[in-house]
Amino acid sequence: RKEVEQDPGPFNVPEGATVAFNCTYSNSASQSFFWYRQDCRKEPKLLMSVYSSGNEDGRFTAQLNRASQYISLLIRDSKLSDSATYLCVVNGPGGSQGNLIFGKGTKLSVKP
Amino acid sequence: SAVISQKPSRDICQRGTSLTIQCQVDSQVTMMFWYRQQPGQSLTLIATANQGSEATYESGFVIDKFPISRPNLTFSTLTVSNMSPEDSSIYLCSVDPTGRQETQYFGPGTRLLVL
Repeated sequence: RKEVEQDPGPFNVPEGATVAFNCTYSNSASQSFFWYRQDCRKEPKLLMSVYSSGNEDGRFTAQLNRASQYISLLIRDSKLSDSATYLCVVNGPGGSQGNLIFGKGTKLSVKP
Repeated sequence: SAVISQKPSRDICQRGTSLTIQCQVDSQVTMMFWYRQQPGQSLTLIATANQGSEATYESGFVIDKFPISRPNLTFSTLTVSNMSPEDSSIYLCSVDPTGRQETQYFGPGTRLLVL
């Protein structure tokens, strides 16, 4: 089983749509969870951290289910500028500091 | 946050040669990391570079192939040695400014093509 698994997409949605991405991770000892965004030919940038209680930042909502080892990202009212690849990231074996494990990413394309 | 620059931004190299990539941060950080992102793949950690100690390499990566220097708290280099076409990739450095694993900030990456 891969350490972090994501649906690669692409997700092609119209502007204004709501889209959800899912991610599963294999290491039950992982303690930190993130969603990063990577634009084409650019470096990854932190979108948001994911907390056990779930968290929201504007149009973006992240949720964590530790029992199922499952993370989600919901984007409401999609904008053209949301088009990017979204990377699910968890920290590594034993929760070792700095060892982030990246999923392959889910590609989102928002169309006019 | 942290502002990170990398040099070169891209390069085309002949097989068998070596390339040294530089990473400069605008603030002092304890932990710096080197990643590789091959086409269509996720980021893979190569090694963790802490100032004043040997770099810690991940499984599948060795010091002879990817020697790393960390002379101070704002700078690091990664060398890709004896290159082959399989080394064609994007190489990114990142830092964890707080050391609390809250986030990592990435440099813009170095695009390497080995012919």
